[in-house]
Amino acid sequence: EDQVTQSPEALRLQEGESSSLNCSYTVSGLRGLFWYRQDPGKGPEFLFTLYSAGEEKEKERLKATLTKKESFLHITAPKPEDSATYLCAVQGGLQTGANNLFFGTGTRLTVIP
Amino acid sequence: DSGVTQTPKHLITATGQRVTLRCSPRSGDLSVYWYQQSLDQGLQFLIQYYNGEERAKGNILERFSAQQFPDLHSELNLSSLELGDSALYFCASSTGGDNEQFFGPGTRLTVL
Repeated sequence: EDQVTQSPEALRLQEGESSSLNCSYTVSGLRGLFWYRQDPGKGPEFLFTLYSAGEEKEKERLKATLTKKESFLHITAPKPEDSATYLCAVQGGLQTGANNLFFGTGTRLTVIP
Repeated sequence: DSGVTQTPKHLITATGQRVTLRCSPRSGDLSVYWYQQSLDQGLQFLIQYYNGEERAKGNILERFSAQQFPDLHSELNLSSLELGDSALYFCASSTGGDNEQFFGPGTRLTVL
């Protein structure tokens, strides 16, 4: 069964204090690993897709990396506007034709000015 | 703005009632997905449609059903509502396959 574990559950950073969020996954035949950002009461906002181990993607202060067992979301010099819940999701290959995402419970990031 | 629209934004109803949630996907997207997000469960996949046909089912209750119409918009029908059905319901769309899914703003359902 697909499983996604995110850590830590919550993270408080001072503005400018870099850190990393972890996403450990177990899936039969990974087809893609996705990172989303979600603000309270809003829909998840797409950030990155990673398809194979060793792949890296960057967007502004965010950088996502992927290994065979986990993914990291690195946040460099965060700003208060980066405060949100960051969700990790996997797309597995167990069901032919099924493209649904299996989500972790997220890391709630708070960046203090 | 993801390009995915959902109506209504909020819905308050009583136990035992039936409601319909509506979703319009991004222009050009053939796949529509429905997810439920509650405080204790996180985002849970309910059902997927691709170009009008059901493609996959997740943990969707028998009281819930969905369909995708020829213009590709989708509706999620929830019946015999219970208190535990209170949640945020999100629709997402994609071109299909392994491509990223774009989420709508959600419908907040409150069952009293």
